[in-house]
Amino acid sequence: DQQVKQNSPSLSVQEGRISILNCDYTNSMFDYFLWYKKYPAEGPTFLISISSIKDKNEDGRFTVFLNKSAKHLSLHIVPSQPGDSAVYFCAASGTSGTYKYIFGTGTRLKVLA
Amino acid sequence: NAGVTQTPKFQVLKTGQSMTLQCAQDMNHEYMSWYRQDPGMGLRLIHYSVGAGITDQGEVPNGYNVSRSTTEDFPLRLLSAAPSQTSVYFCASSPTGLAGLAYEQYFGPGTRLTVT
Repeated sequence: DQQVKQNSPSLSVQEGRISILNCDYTNSMFDYFLWYKKYPAEGPTFLISISSIKDKNEDGRFTVFLNKSAKHLSLHIVPSQPGDSAVYFCAASGTSGTYKYIFGTGTRLKVLA
Repeated sequence: NAGVTQTPKFQVLKTGQSMTLQCAQDMNHEYMSWYRQDPGMGLRLIHYSVGAGITDQGEVPNGYNVSRSTTEDFPLRLLSAAPSQTSVYFCASSPTGLAGLAYEQYFGPGTRLTVT
């Protein structure tokens, strides 16, 4: 059973517009969430995180929103740039002593120039 | 700092062969982990370690062994390779803080393994 789901395998957006990537989770014990970006033939790199005590976290062009009641988080990229084209993974963990992160299946974002 | 390094970058094995994927980090991170990435499956946790001498299983541990004798190194052993273990393997490390929480992980460049 997939505990962290990214239901959109791919997304295309025009340069300068907003990209919205979505992630849903099923385990109510998750309370720390992260987004990673991955280019081909490279390891993932950390982008932004949010803990369950917040509903929004911003870092430059990247904002993550968390809706705990819906068990949903989203990553907004504004404005989108061609260099943002990559696969984006969301990951979730609970502060229960397990140190385990569960990743989603990823969304491939393509920003069109 | 080199960050997280992985060797080899590519490897082809025959079914039944054994090998060790190497992972090292120079950031003095307590937490290290191994993932495999398969098409449509995302990143799945194989094993992880919260410090030297301490390891635990992740989501897909079968067929893999790990040990952590130093803070820097966390090798992944395949004792008898199977075609189902064809994948891209990533090692990652992070500092730890609050009990049970590892912060953002730093990933190595990956090892692409093919088992024929």
